[in-house]
Amino acid sequence: ETGVTQTPRHLVMGMTNKKSLKCEQHLGHNAMYWYKQSAKKPLELMFVYNFKEQTENNSVPSRFSPECPNSSHLFLHLHTLQPEDSALYLCASSQEVLAGGPGTQFFGPGTRLTVL
Amino acid sequence: AQKVTQAQTEISVVEKEDVTLDCVYETRDTTYYLFWYKQPPSGELVFLIRRNSFDEQNEISGRYSWNFQKSTSSFNFTITASQVVDSAVYFCALSGGGNFNKFYFGSGTKLNVKP
Repeated sequence: ETGVTQTPRHLVMGMTNKKSLKCEQHLGHNAMYWYKQSAKKPLELMFVYNFKEQTENNSVPSRFSPECPNSSHLFLHLHTLQPEDSALYLCASSQEVLAGGPGTQFFGPGTRLTVL
Repeated sequence: AQKVTQAQTEISVVEKEDVTLDCVYETRDTTYYLFWYKQPPSGELVFLIRRNSFDEQNEISGRYSWNFQKSTSSFNFTITASQVVDSAVYFCALSGGGNFNKFYFGSGTKLNVKP
């Protein structure tokens, strides 16, 4: 595998289900991100992890719970979601350095989530 | 505050036409970075270019070129001799303010290239 991979690619779940999205990066990066992309809305940053530590939580509801066990893997645990949470969830990774500005973010193909 | 505006929601051109996608940004920072990404129907955002605020040189990469003008806070993207494979949604993004992890994306421009 190369780049950033995400599984599953498609997910349909009921509002009472619990599911998890998985992201894996094969680029040796030290930062990982979750974004939400809804129809006709800009990409919304949800969470940022630097060196496995969460450094950004963009006021995301607690029904979304991220987990970063190591610098290569990122999960998004989902429970009691709402239909309005249906969206494309994108994972990204970057190599952050102390100086020189932001690392370029490289994205996975996304998980298309539908909440019934 | 950081903001990116892509006023063109959707553009349709015929193959071989040139097309320019506009990007206007707002920031109070003197150090910032601008990006363009392409999102084909498969969903994955593909990185195209990164530019820092101190480098106003225009860039050309094959059929792609970028025009960065700080005076108008714009970072426009031109595709020359468009092809059907260029059909995608294109996003402009801004990073600055010391929190470089946080990218501010525009709403995207959907480009339709017809044969």
